[in-house]
Amino acid sequence: GENVEQHPSTLSVQEGDSAVIKCTYSDSASNYFPWYKQELGKGPQLIIDIRSNVGEKKDQRIAVTLNKTAKHFSLHITETQPEDSAVYFCAASSPFGNEKLTFGTGTRLTIIP
Amino acid sequence: DVKVTQSSRYLVKRTGEKVFLECVQDMDHENMFWYRQDPGLGLRLIYFSYDVKMKEKGDIPEGYSVSREKKERFSLILESASTNQTSMYLCASSLPGWTEAFFGQGTRLTVV
Repeated sequence: GENVEQHPSTLSVQEGDSAVIKCTYSDSASNYFPWYKQELGKGPQLIIDIRSNVGEKKDQRIAVTLNKTAKHFSLHITETQPEDSAVYFCAASSPFGNEKLTFGTGTRLTIIP
Repeated sequence: DVKVTQSSRYLVKRTGEKVFLECVQDMDHENMFWYRQDPGLGLRLIYFSYDVKMKEKGDIPEGYSVSREKKERFSLILESASTNQTSMYLCASSLPGWTEAFFGQGTRLTVV
């Protein structure tokens, strides 16, 4: 089955700086890669996703890049703000996996004011 | 506003008890999921359902069962609770295809 590795497990950045979280996946057939943000006491919420037919997607301060050859994808947050502090999860899904998402182990991002 | 509601935020149960975790969604979604969240392990899929009365095992189904009698409701059952099932349980729902999954707020279960 699919295996997703996520790094780093914790990340602290100064407010205004950029943050990058990286994930690798094992199943070359995977074609859907969402990123979820989990704030304290809440369930995860989708912030951006990318499908395998594109290499990059942006939404304001957030971007995701995908390298299918290397089987890795990354989340980039620019101009970080205190409200970006949360736990972030990457995930991958294969067309042969009945729409199951396999999640990474999470990154706790702390923005230092 | 779309909503996935889990019946309890916190539960404390005794070893050996039968435990029911309930989840209701109001978005008419076909897919529903139960995940378990543990520190350092991320979210792991226990069971999912893509239609009423349909279910499939996820990655860690041992010790759990599920029930989906109505489209909007998906129940997770711990047949005989054990201390290693102490965890945060998250329910989610989505439309068919690779689309956004909406999560509930989670149920923190402690088995003593």
